[in-house]
Amino acid sequence: GQQLNQSPQSMFIQEGEDVSMNCTSSSIFNTWLWYKQDPGEGPVLLIALYKAGELTSNGRLTAQFGITRKDSFLNISASIPSDVGIYFCAGQYENEKLTFGTGTRLTIIP
Amino acid sequence: DAGVTQSPTHLIKTRGQQVTLRCSPKSGHDTVSWYQQALGQGPQFIFQYYEEEERQRGNFPDRFSGHQFPNYSSELNVNALLLGDSALYLCASSLIPSPLHFGNGTRLTVT
Repeated sequence: GQQLNQSPQSMFIQEGEDVSMNCTSSSIFNTWLWYKQDPGEGPVLLIALYKAGELTSNGRLTAQFGITRKDSFLNISASIPSDVGIYFCAGQYENEKLTFGTGTRLTIIP
Repeated sequence: DAGVTQSPTHLIKTRGQQVTLRCSPKSGHDTVSWYQQALGQGPQFIFQYYEEEERQRGNFPDRFSGHQFPNYSSELNVNALLLGDSALYLCASSLIPSPLHFGNGTRLTVT
């Protein structure tokens, strides 16, 4: 099945660093979502974006809905140990299914 | 307020067998979707149920079927299991147009 292109595939950073990741699609979406998944658990919604150009924050997380409607970006500022996990973007058109990205695995180096 | 609950958490089956997975949606949600997540990949959409009917279906064979009950809970059935069906099966609920909320999944292993 289709998956969105998400980069980077993995990141190794030190605590306190900022993180940036992005997601691109060949199709347009009218909703972009960012989820985080910890081992043995389901994805947890972090941020939802509903309008092209929208910039939304949730604490240290900031996400943007790309102007072309084919991409989205997630930034995490001042990373902490609990940020470790896999981050997935997901696009949605109207109320149809979610199409997920390939995931970005975030690891914090002690 | 209980979130999405799935049962069982783990399951081991043999090729050719049939399996039923269960999901209770988050309180107030009326739509249930099922996703398959293979190891190292993002979730893939299987199908969505609303008002006890299948509304949308992903690219999965007819061996995958489902049901939604009047209390909005749902079942996913997979017949004639193949080794490739081994995955984490995620249930998600929503009250459209709100975003999906996921359960912790059922880990299915087919041997």
